[in-house]
Amino acid sequence: SYELTQPSSVSVSPGQTARITCSGDVLPKKYLRWFQQKPGQAPVLMIYSENERPSGIPERFSGSSSGTTVTLTISGAQVEDEADYYCYSAADNNWVFGGGTKLTVL
Amino acid sequence: EVQLLESGGGFIQPGGSLKLSCAASGFSFSSYAMSWVRQAPGKGLEWIATISDSGSDTYYADSVRGRFTISRDNSRNTLYLQMKSLRAEDTAVYYCANGGGYWGQGTLVTVSS
Repeated sequence: SYELTQPSSVSVSPGQTARITCSGDVLPKKYLRWFQQKPGQAPVLMIYSENERPSGIPERFSGSSSGTTVTLTISGAQVEDEADYYCYSAADNNWVFGGGTKLTVL
Repeated sequence: EVQLLESGGGFIQPGGSLKLSCAASGFSFSSYAMSWVRQAPGKGLEWIATISDSGSDTYYADSVRGRFTISRDNSRNTLYLQMKSLRAEDTAVYYCANGGGYWGQGTLVTVSS
């Protein structure tokens, strides 16, 4: 199995761009997902297949990759985007979550 | 609307057993692999098991292999997690999730003497 590494926290002011990274030795982009989790709630899928958004997810959320790092970008972060974010890879019968990043918007 | 409803959580002593269920609706259950993911209090998400759409293939995290068994009944649209030899470190909210990225609201399992 392999590990996915995320920063423990990211802080931005409202309206700024937030970037959350996820690094791993092997990152099959096709199976990379990002989840948002607010306190006391179940995770919600925000991005799949590196840069696809499920219906209902705001356009300000996007994904990208470079080498062995994938990035979740929130363009013009809103106060309601404050949450924990997890990257997740499911490939080659190997499922793993990153450690999570707490995004603070204030 | 996709719905996943977990049940079966509760308080159990170390060494005990518990079986969780996840009732699915709003999608073609038999077409999706299903997973269990847990979250210990104040901690991150931990994948623990996945079962293929037909139920023929199962996969486990090292932390639960040999103690937990994932299964499904496609005729009942229900996913299961049989947990044995429970330990304090198994205390967590247990979520079921489908291959499409939908999650239930979770059920709390507390292992304590």
